[in-house]
Amino acid sequence: RKEVEQDPGPFNVPEGATVAFNCTYSNSASQSFFWYRQDCRKEPKLLMSVYSSGNEDGRFTAQLNRASQYISLLIRDSKLSDSATYLCVVTLAGNNRKLIWGLGTSLAVNP
Amino acid sequence: GAGVSQSPSNKVTEKGKDVELRCDPISGHTALYWYRQSLGQGLEFLIYFQGNSAPDKSGLPSDRFSAERTGGSVSTLTIQRTQQEDSAVYLCASSRRAGNSANSYEQYFGPGTRLTVT
Repeated sequence: RKEVEQDPGPFNVPEGATVAFNCTYSNSASQSFFWYRQDCRKEPKLLMSVYSSGNEDGRFTAQLNRASQYISLLIRDSKLSDSATYLCVVTLAGNNRKLIWGLGTSLAVNP
Repeated sequence: GAGVSQSPSNKVTEKGKDVELRCDPISGHTALYWYRQSLGQGLEFLIYFQGNSAPDKSGLPSDRFSAERTGGSVSTLTIQRTQQEDSAVYLCASSRRAGNSANSYEQYFGPGTRLTVT
């Protein structure tokens, strides 16, 4: 089993739709969790950290479920500019400075 | 403030040549990472520097790859005797001081160096 797994997609949704991605991780002692986005041929950029209580930033909501070992990202009212690859990232237990990256979920928001 | 910078942005080299890639992290960030990403693939961890500690080299694919970080700031990734399979985008990231809060681990990336080995 991969340390971090994501559905590669692509997810094709119309503008205004709500879309959700899940990411599962294998190490139950993983401590920190993040969502990054990566535009085509660009570097990854931090979207948001994921806190135990869940957190929201505008149209984006992140949740953590430690019991089931997954994190989720919900995007409401999708915009064309949300089209990107969304990368799930977790810290490696016992070595909190090293992050383990998922392969990403591709999202295309269509007009 | 200034972000992570990398140079060169593009490098084309002949098979067998050595290349050096440079990364300037965000000022004050003590952790520095190198990754590479082949077209359509995920990020592959290469090496990680944290302060004055010995670097974590566990991701380096072969002994042709090495990296240094001088003065706790600028880092250079060197690839000796380049091969065609080394062609990829090499990304550098930095994160802030040590600590246990989640934002200590948030990584900020440079724009990458696109390496093409012909």
